[in-house]
Amino acid sequence: EAEVAQSPRYKITEKSQAVAFWCDPISGHATLYWYRQILGQGPELLVQFQDESVVDDSQLPKDRFSAERLKGVDSTLKIQPAELGDSAMYLCASSVTSGRAGELFFGEGSRLTVL
Amino acid sequence: GNSVTQMEGPVTLSEEAFLTINCTYTATGYPSLFWYVQYPGEGLQLLLKATKADDKGSNKGFEATYRKETTSFHLEKGSVQVSDSAVYFCALIGSSNTGKLIFGQGTTLQVKP
Repeated sequence: EAEVAQSPRYKITEKSQAVAFWCDPISGHATLYWYRQILGQGPELLVQFQDESVVDDSQLPKDRFSAERLKGVDSTLKIQPAELGDSAMYLCASSVTSGRAGELFFGEGSRLTVL
Repeated sequence: GNSVTQMEGPVTLSEEAFLTINCTYTATGYPSLFWYVQYPGEGLQLLLKATKADDKGSNKGFEATYRKETTSFHLEKGSVQVSDSAVYFCALIGSSNTGKLIFGQGTTLQVKP
């Protein structure tokens, strides 16, 4: 069964360092999402791509976070510089298309700890 | 804005007990409603969904009915198993949205043998 691949699974870094997460969606999925899940809370959308274009990045802290999906396939989420409050699980998800159908397929996530 | 509120956890039940996890939402128009589940060490996966009022979503013995009048989508199962232990998330996509899922805070279910 096709899966959304994410790496690394775990990342420990010191504050002010740069961090990058990678996501490879299910083949053929045009829509890609990055969510952040703080411990004890539900996931919150950071950025949504339709192919290589950003559809929604209203909750992305653009002073330190950036995301790209250059060829409309895999994607990278970067944080620079990392802050203590960035400690969270970063989830990537993909879907065949956007809209109300709602079946997003999630990866296992990348857990970030900032010391 | 749109939002989802779930009952506080953790919920601890004995095997074969009846499960209810409450979920209410705030949204304009007619959102689509979902339950996602996260088993230990795994990614989130869709459990069930309902896209219009009075629809009932069901899967793996779980059910939830879209109640427009009470803005609710409570999750139920008649007889839980130890393997149902997981975190359950209620979520919605707004009626005028591009597919952005808005999640509740999650409810942890622990089922004891």
